[in-house]
Amino acid sequence: ETGVTQSPTHLIKTRGQQVTLRCSSQSGHNTVSWYQQALGQGPQFIFQYYREEENGRGNFPPRFSGLQFPNYSSELNVNALELDDSALYLCASSLSAGGSDTQYFGPGTRLTVL
Amino acid sequence: GENVEQHPSTLSVQEGDSAVIKCTYSDSASNYFPWYKQELGKGPQLIIDIRSNVGEKKDQRIAVTLNKTAKHFSLHITETQPEDSAVYFCAASINTDKLIFGTGTRLQVFP
Repeated sequence: ETGVTQSPTHLIKTRGQQVTLRCSSQSGHNTVSWYQQALGQGPQFIFQYYREEENGRGNFPPRFSGLQFPNYSSELNVNALELDDSALYLCASSLSAGGSDTQYFGPGTRLTVL
Repeated sequence: GENVEQHPSTLSVQEGDSAVIKCTYSDSASNYFPWYKQELGKGPQLIIDIRSNVGEKKDQRIAVTLNKTAKHFSLHITETQPEDSAVYFCAASINTDKLIFGTGTRLQVFP
């Protein structure tokens, strides 16, 4: 186990709703990255947070937003949910950003949008 | 931007045989190449990684090779066991930040 935890495990929402997913990073890690993994695909980078600031963003619309807290835990918020947002959402923590530190993944949150 | 291609998409081997998965990347600035194993219902687990200043790295039954000139890297698993059955992902990045993943290889090891 990596020490990265995510909640909730599963979530069902309807189109148009908003959702918040949570991630606790591994002890000592100050960087959290979020990924979306559609069924049968590789994870796709959403964004990264380093010391409470966004530090890079992938090709996702502004309705995907995030936060990082002083204890380095993080939230992913998705507004105006669409059916295509159904996926496994993964967070990964690393010791620091921009260096040579490996990303360790949590178990993910399975989001289903109906 | 970076693009990572991974082959094959599925691979079936007999227990004890070797398995090889290959990836190519497009951005010559990429300098970090991890491999992750993902079991059903779990998050990706790092199994081995290599940086661009190294051509080969080995950890027990697992090895990774990197050819920077050709921009491809490979995962080699020897003496495969049924518990090696999973989906394997390669990825590439610059300085370990934004990981760009391949599409995955489903490895099945038959007893």
